[in-house]
Amino acid sequence: EIVLTQSPATLSLSPGERATLSCRASQSVVSTYLAWYQQKPGQAPRLLIYGASSRPTGIPDRFSGSASGTDFTLTISRLEPEDFAVYYCQQYGNSPIFGGGTKVEIK
Amino acid sequence: QVQLQESGPGLVKPSETLSLTCAVSGGSITSYYWNWIRQAPGKGLEWIGDIYNSGSTNYNPSLKSRVTISVDTSKNHFSLNLNSVTAADTAVYYCARRVPGYCGGANCPHFDYWGQGILVTVSS
Repeated sequence: EIVLTQSPATLSLSPGERATLSCRASQSVVSTYLAWYQQKPGQAPRLLIYGASSRPTGIPDRFSGSASGTDFTLTISRLEPEDFAVYYCQQYGNSPIFGGGTKVEIK
Repeated sequence: QVQLQESGPGLVKPSETLSLTCAVSGGSITSYYWNWIRQAPGKGLEWIGDIYNSGSTNYNPSLKSRVTISVDTSKNHFSLNLNSVTAADTAVYYCARRVPGYCGGANCPHFDYWGQGILVTVSS
């Protein structure tokens, strides 16, 4: 069973700073099956990145994703006030799984 | 614009069956995979299962013995039944659409539309 481990659990940053979020798979995965979601309190998750690095229409280009083997990274180039939220990575497989999440909080 | 809306009881007694429906508007349910995902209070996301319009289903192995997902294409909605519930099944339940996606010639499946979620509490 694949496990997705996200780190850090909490990231404390200021607006304007760069955020780097990590998602590591416990075994080899199909990189194009990796997606990232943003969730704000009381809201449903929102798709940010799919196929490890593709952005849906409407997602700002300050969000980017990359992959290297079993390591996946979500980068927010310059944090805006609305970016403080919880971020989940997700791998599609026989049984889709989510990472435990990274909370990006205001420092 | 595709929209999904969950509905059902917000309170279920232990040992009973949790039943939810997800109404799909702005698009046909006869394409793509339709999913249920839940989130216990303060916890992460857990995929429950999915269904295709043919009625083909896939379930999370950890819940498979208690879950049934069905689809009604005439009403453009799909449903979740989870039986023998306990307090551990208390969660916000989301419905979501999964699309195959195409990324550089490869499939890149992802959940593109989500319902707003419905909190279901299991308590006597």
